[in-house]
Amino acid sequence: GQSLEQPSEVTAVEGAIVQINCTYQTSGFYGLSWYQQHDGGAPTFLSYNALDGLEETGRFSSFLSRSDSYGYLLLQELQMKDSASYFCAAYSGTYKYIFGTGTRLKVLA
Amino acid sequence: GAVVSQHPSWVICKSGTSVKIECRSLDFQATTMFWYRQFPKQSLMLMATSNEGSKATYEQGVEKDKFLINHASLTLSTLTVTSAHPEDSSFYICSARPLADTQYFGPGTRLTVL
Repeated sequence: GQSLEQPSEVTAVEGAIVQINCTYQTSGFYGLSWYQQHDGGAPTFLSYNALDGLEETGRFSSFLSRSDSYGYLLLQELQMKDSASYFCAAYSGTYKYIFGTGTRLKVLA
Repeated sequence: GAVVSQHPSWVICKSGTSVKIECRSLDFQATTMFWYRQFPKQSLMLMATSNEGSKATYEQGVEKDKFLINHASLTLSTLTVTSAHPEDSSFYICSARPLADTQYFGPGTRLTVL
């Protein structure tokens, strides 16, 4: 079957750096996206990696290794507003997106 | 750019009634829209892929006769939950794809069936 696994919960303090990992198993693979979702809201797009390597967008960076079927989202200079759920999603060979299990990030003051 | 709207944002209905949810891409054309369902504290589950001018493709386990999808134009897709029951209560989210490898989500519709 197809699946994307993430840690269920991560806790860090303001100003810290946190990494959220995602390992995937899909039928075909084009790229990996990351989304942020606050409670009660819809997911918002953060980043997309089609190629191996690191993509940086402000405080957020995303990494992909196709050979390892692995990616991660790196959040730097954590702020309280970063407390949310984060999902990786694979754009699969069937031209649809498969979402990971989600990671709930708690940022402590 | 890349704004997707959904209407209504929330709805409460009685068991046995039907509910229609609209998803619109406001500033781009989307040949493909996706419908997801999300239960509390769970991930997004893809229900179906909606292609303009053709029948939707449903994921395994999703009843196509219960969740009717129509994609009448390049900017509008609708999901109708027919004969809704309490177990259909969930957060329904659509997304629209302007390019092959990106999708943008609508704000979601919270459905409560009494």
